[in-house]
Amino acid sequence: QLQLQESGPGLVKASETLSLTCTVSGASITSSGYYWGWIRQPPGKGLEWIGSISYRWSTYYNPSLQSRVSMSVDTSNNQITLTVSSVTAADTAVYYCGRHRYSSSMYNWFDHWGQGLLVTVSS
Amino acid sequence: DIQMTQSPSSLSASVGDRVTISCRTSQDISNSLVWFQQKPGKAPKFLLFDAFRLESGVPSRFSGSGSGTDYTLTISGLQPEDFATYYCQQYHSPPLTFGGGTKVEIK
Repeated sequence: QLQLQESGPGLVKASETLSLTCTVSGASITSSGYYWGWIRQPPGKGLEWIGSISYRWSTYYNPSLQSRVSMSVDTSNNQITLTVSSVTAADTAVYYCGRHRYSSSMYNWFDHWGQGLLVTVSS
Repeated sequence: DIQMTQSPSSLSASVGDRVTISCRTSQDISNSLVWFQQKPGKAPKFLLFDAFRLESGVPSRFSGSGSGTDYTLTISGLQPEDFATYYCQQYHSPPLTFGGGTKVEIK
């Protein structure tokens, strides 16, 4: 059974870099046909796609965040990492990692989600 | 970016009611739409894809319709476990974008 677990600091200072890890169990992140990604949700607000990475390690980012976001993988630990630089209070959100629906394209949706991790940016 | 407008932002309904939620997109997305349900403190769960295809295991009281730029989620016979917030998301073109959500509350 596929499970995703986000981990990282719950509190980050403004202007610093946020790093989050998604640990995947029950499936290999190297499996062909699957994309992995991040979505965030500010408290009480809607959902925002941050970016995704393919099984060939191609990355796709939301243009609104592209200058500050980076994703990478650690295949030995079956993990996906997200970094967001120069954070502000607007980056305070629950961060979800997820797996896209099986497809040759990332243009679909998350069919599996982690439980989410609240990250607060302090001034 | 494709803009997604959901309406209403919230509604009150009773168990057994028929509920409809609208999702309007800023351009034709050719049915590339998914509906999610989210309960407080939980990750979203997807219900339908391709605008009207029901995901396996999702009750048949959920249905989707629409085309072009106008889509609708219908819950026929609202159940206590259906009180939640619903989001639409388009996957026609990047970036993936979501509607603002519709909170379904108990009347």
